[in-house]
Amino acid sequence: EAGVAQSPRYKIIEKRQSVAFWCNPISGHATLYWYQQILGQGPKLLIQFQNNGVVDDSQLPKDRFSAERLKGVDSTLKIQPAKLEDSAVYLCASSYRQGLGSPLHFGNGTRLTVT
Amino acid sequence: GENVEQHPSTLSVQEGDSAVIKCTYSDSASNYFPWYKQELGKGPQLIIDIRSNVGEKKDQRIAVTLNKTAKHFSLHITETQPEDSAVYFCAAEGTYKYIFGTGTRLKVLA
Repeated sequence: EAGVAQSPRYKIIEKRQSVAFWCNPISGHATLYWYQQILGQGPKLLIQFQNNGVVDDSQLPKDRFSAERLKGVDSTLKIQPAKLEDSAVYLCASSYRQGLGSPLHFGNGTRLTVT
Repeated sequence: GENVEQHPSTLSVQEGDSAVIKCTYSDSASNYFPWYKQELGKGPQLIIDIRSNVGEKKDQRIAVTLNKTAKHFSLHITETQPEDSAVYFCAAEGTYKYIFGTGTRLKVLA
């Protein structure tokens, strides 16, 4: 099966600019996650979707970050305006279902550098 | 809030030796514990997992043990090889939510 696809792989922007990331999960996976991974740390959940509904966005900085999964398949994550501390790898993951030990499958991420 | 502590943060072993990484979780509702390996420039990849009704699971050179009473679980890699060098993350799944450890950078010295 094809894995989780993410684009772009790298992005460099200046602070206060906007940026968008795209993710296409594994076919048939109902649950989609966006994680932020700062260098040297573990992944931190930003938002979790079940089909096209938001399950958890408690750690999403909603004043600058937004995400959508309109048709319950692919998803976009947007940052506007970006800050220096947003420099990180943004990982998308999907799982067949929510909970009950359904493993996460990660994409290779988008490395964002904010200058 | 829920958290997962992971130790050590770095680990260097000689090729052929064993490596052990330990994690402790806080959420009593956690019932699924995966381990991920992350190589440079790639996303984390699942290498082994264990569920709360099992105490130990083995897959070739990799094994995971779980002590639910103590809320501890560990990854054991035997006969380490240079290609085992990577960052390893443990995770605990609670109520529809994964919490990740902070990672262990494993270096296997040839």
